[in-house]
Formats: sequence, structure tokens, C-alpha cells
Amino acid sequence: DAKTTQPNSMESNEEEPVHLPCNHSTISGTDYIHWYRQLPSQGPEYVIHGLTSNVNNRMASLAIAEDRKSSTLILHRATLRDAAVYYCIHDSGTYKYIFGTGTRLKVLA
Amino acid sequence: GAGVSQSPRYKVAKRGQDVALRCDPISGHVSLFWYQQALGQGPEFLTYFQNEAQLDKSGLPSDRFFAERPEGSVSTLKIQRTQQEDSAVYLCASTQEGGGVGETQYFGPGTRLLVL
Repeated sequence: DAKTTQPNSMESNEEEPVHLPCNHSTISGTDYIHWYRQLPSQGPEYVIHGLTSNVNNRMASLAIAEDRKSSTLILHRATLRDAAVYYCIHDSGTYKYIFGTGTRLKVLA
Repeated sequence: GAGVSQSPRYKVAKRGQDVALRCDPISGHVSLFWYQQALGQGPEFLTYFQNEAQLDKSGLPSDRFFAERPEGSVSTLKIQRTQQEDSAVYLCASTQEGGGVGETQYFGPGTRLLVL
């Protein structure tokens, strides 16, 4: 079962780093972790994805634990525009993403 | 290039009416997905197409829901005899290839359906 566990909500101050955790304890060999975020009244937006090693792109960094059972999405400097619901998805190759309720990130000015 | 587009963005229907929701995937994308998102919840899978073939419709909640992609590009999700519990945001996503492991799904903005 490719479910993930995330905190319901988190808060961060503007311009500070944010670490969003995710547990995916049933992950196995070739499974990927994807992160999406959803702003109000919009569809989910791709943020980053990875398999084993840490990944960086212009939006964020993804740190994957050595046993791969957890990962952390890192926003290096939160802005007000980063306020959204962040979803961590365990991609086991069944093509259908299983979303949880995600983490609602609140950014304080 | 252009992303996934959906129309209409908002739809209000009276209970019992039929509705049709349209999805235009990214040009050339092989796979197309429909998801339903209830208020305050994450999206839930409805159905999946690879080209024109509907390979999985296990998430469709009832036989009132029907999806098609006749030419392997644009897709339509049809809901017959709408009920109040059908009120939700309907999201469409596409992937470049078959949707296999590691592929990124690109989502449209969604259609918000309200059934009165």
C-alpha cells in the first residue's frame, strides 16, 4: 500500500527555511517519491521527485533518508507565495497517484 | 509550452442534470488521468487512459460516471443524473509516456462542480 504520512499543518516565518517531512515506510527498490503543492483554486503543481539520492532544483531540495522510508522537502527561503498544501506521493509504478491530506504550510510575514 | 487545460472552470448543475467536463492534455502526452478532489481532501484517482484506451476505471464512483478519449488527445468526463455528493473539483493530469514509475504527472487547474 503506497500511502504516506505527513503532518497536517506547519508554520514558517518568511525568508526562513522550511523542512516538510514525509514517511513512506512501505517503499521498495524502484519506487519514487514525488512532491506536489497545491495553491488555493489551482491544480497540484509539481515540485520535485527522487529515487535514492538527494535532489535539488530551482524550487526546492529533496532529502531522502538512507533507508528511504522517509524524506524531507526543503524550501530554502519561504515566501508568502509558498503558502500551499504540500503532498508527498509514494510512486510504486501503479501510475495512479495516492494523495493523502497533505501538509498545509502557513508562511508568516 | 501550454500546460493542461480544463473547461469549464466552474459548473453549477441542478440535481439530475447531466454534465460534461473537458480536458486538453499537454500536446503529445500519451497518458491522461482524472482525479476527484472533495473539499479539504487530497485528489482521488478516477480513471486512466493510455492513448485512446481506458486501461483503468476502478476509481469511478458509480455507473453515472463515464470518461472517454476517442482520438487519444482530448478527454471528456461525463456525469449523468448528477447528485449533490458529486460536488467536487475534477482534476485532469497527463504524462508524456505511459505513466510508469518516476514519470511526472502534470495537472490542469480543475473544474469545480457544484450540484444544487
